[in-house]
Amino acid sequence: EAEVAQSPRYKITEKSQAVAFWCDPISGHATLYWYRQILGQGPELLVQFQDESVVDDSQLPKDRFSAERLKGVDSTLKIQPAELGDSAMYLCASSLLTSGVYEQYFGPGTRLTVT
Amino acid sequence: SQQGEEDPQALSIQEGENATMNCSYKTSINNLQWYRQNSGRGLVHLILIRSNEREKHSGRLRVTLDTSKKSSSLLITASRAADTASYFCATDAYNNNDMRFGAGTRLTVKP
Repeated sequence: EAEVAQSPRYKITEKSQAVAFWCDPISGHATLYWYRQILGQGPELLVQFQDESVVDDSQLPKDRFSAERLKGVDSTLKIQPAELGDSAMYLCASSLLTSGVYEQYFGPGTRLTVT
Repeated sequence: SQQGEEDPQALSIQEGENATMNCSYKTSINNLQWYRQNSGRGLVHLILIRSNEREKHSGRLRVTLDTSKKSSSLLITASRAADTASYFCATDAYNNNDMRFGAGTRLTVKP
């Protein structure tokens, strides 16, 4: 069964350092999402791509976060510089429009710890 | 911002009992989806219910939707220890591929 791949699974970094996460969506899924999930809370959308274009990045802290999906396939989320409050799980999801509904498939996530 | 709110925040039951979780939302929706998340893992899609549906079943799962009250419930029957996880509802605002998740219900099923 096709899955969304993410790497790394775990990342520990010091504050002020740069960190990057990678996501490879399910083949053929045009829509890709990056979420941040703080412990004990639900996922919050950071950015949404439709193919290579950003559809929604209203919740992305653009002073330190950036995301790209250059060829409309895999995607990278970067944080520079990392802050203590960025410690969270970063989830990638992809979806396909089927019968008028977007069902999202999630990757295993990258757990970031900023020290 | 999150739209869905699950209730209760935490639920602890014995194996074999039924578990009911509720979700309330604020704006009109196209559909509502329930997801499960095991500790430290990604979310797994459980079931989707469209705004024109009132009830849906999938195995031991039963979902209801009341659009007049802007609420949904997820019932897990004959619970098992493996059902221990966090459960989230997510709404797809009408005509908008923009999923908003609640804070989740943390279910513990004791063997």
